[in-house]
Amino acid sequence: GENVEQHPSTLSVQEGDSAVIKCTYSDSASNYFPWYKQELGKRPQLIIDIRSNVGEKKDQRIAVTLNKTAKHFSLHITETQPEDSAVYFCAATYYNQGGKLIFGQGTELSVKP
Amino acid sequence: DSGVTQTPKHLITATGQRVTLRCSPRSGDLSVYWYQQSLDQGLQFLIQYYNGEERAKGNILERFSAQQFPDLHSELNLSSLELGDSALYFCASSPVASGGGGTQYFGPGTRLTVL
Repeated sequence: GENVEQHPSTLSVQEGDSAVIKCTYSDSASNYFPWYKQELGKRPQLIIDIRSNVGEKKDQRIAVTLNKTAKHFSLHITETQPEDSAVYFCAATYYNQGGKLIFGQGTELSVKP
Repeated sequence: DSGVTQTPKHLITATGQRVTLRCSPRSGDLSVYWYQQSLDQGLQFLIQYYNGEERAKGNILERFSAQQFPDLHSELNLSSLELGDSALYFCASSPVASGGGGTQYFGPGTRLTVL
């Protein structure tokens, strides 16, 4: 069935270090993979996304990579800052059933100053 | 600010009651999605509407229903409420009907507490 697995569930890094969060998806028909950042009690905010015809995308300190063969994608944050601390969710869209997002379980990132 | 609005912000009610959550999508967006976020279940897709028509359904309970009106705003109706329905309910909107093309922008959410 439709499933997105996300690891790790918690991640603690020192300010300035890099953070990597990994996700795998089950449906090979998935073609769109967004990443959302959510602060406590707030709405999920899109930080970066990638489509299945692209292997990598960067936006300043954030990058996402996609391996369609292995059905996994990863979020990379470089030079982390305390304001990066939040819960990060990966998601996959199953275009054959509308545009619903199937979310991973979330990763709580803590950046220590 | 994503441009998606949701009302009310907070809702406290009792078991067995019925509530209505409202969502206005971003200007020009035809798709509206409803998601439920609870501590133990994470973010779960409930239902999608596109230009007034139901497009996709997730594990939405029979006690829950939704609709999208001609002005494109949407309402999520929750009835016979149970304690386990307490959660954050998010609405998201997108300009397109199907995945792969439309970024979904989330509203601020409605926090429902069932006592």
